Amino acid sequence: EIVMTQSPATLSVSPGERATLSCRASQSVGTSLAWYQQRPGQAPRLLIYRASTRATGIPARFSGRGSGTEFTLTISSLQSEDFAVYYCQQYNNWPFVWTFGQGTRLEIK
Amino acid sequence: QVQLAQSGAEVKKPGASVRVSCKASGYSFNAFSLHWVRQAPGQRLEWMGWINPGNNNTKHSQKFHGRVTITWDTTATTVHMDLGSLRSEDTALYYCARGGAGDYIGTFDYWGQGTLVTVSS
Repeated sequence: EIVMTQSPATLSVSPGERATLSCRASQSVGTSLAWYQQRPGQAPRLLIYRASTRATGIPARFSGRGSGTEFTLTISSLQSEDFAVYYCQQYNNWPFVWTFGQGTRLEIK
Repeated sequence: QVQLAQSGAEVKKPGASVRVSCKASGYSFNAFSLHWVRQAPGQRLEWMGWINPGNNNTKHSQKFHGRVTITWDTTATTVHMDLGSLRSEDTALYYCARGGAGDYIGTFDYWGQGTLVTVSS
């Protein structure tokens, strides 16, 4: 099973600033990597797929990069609604066995 | 619009079974897979299994050692997830999620609201 590790566990950033979240895979997943946002009391929401493509309706301040084992999610100019928990998820190799990272909590500084 | 509406919270005793249901609407039911993902308190999201109503294929995570059964009712556009031999560690929020297609394949593009299952004696 591919293990996904996110860092940091918690990130404190001021509104309007930039946040960069990291995700590492225990083996290469190519670009088969997605990012989700989970606000308190809500279900996860797909943000990014194929490591760098924004899902429909996702603002341009969200961007993803990376391939292989190292990935980042950057949120430029943080808005109040962006403070949430973010998860990465890999879906490499059909038939897929999906695994998630443990999450990064983005909190207001 | 795409909606996944899940059944209500459940409280079960250890050793019992639970059924969580997910009614899909707003899209062609047979054209997309449906998955179950759970989130135990303080834990990461965990994929449990999926079903493809279009071809009757199912697959479960080996972690559940056959305790999970996923079925569907096409006429009711509803997917059911049965989890047996419940233990306290199964206390979690259970989500159904639609599997993406095309460019979105491999992702979960829509999610239900979650169903809390509590296992307690």
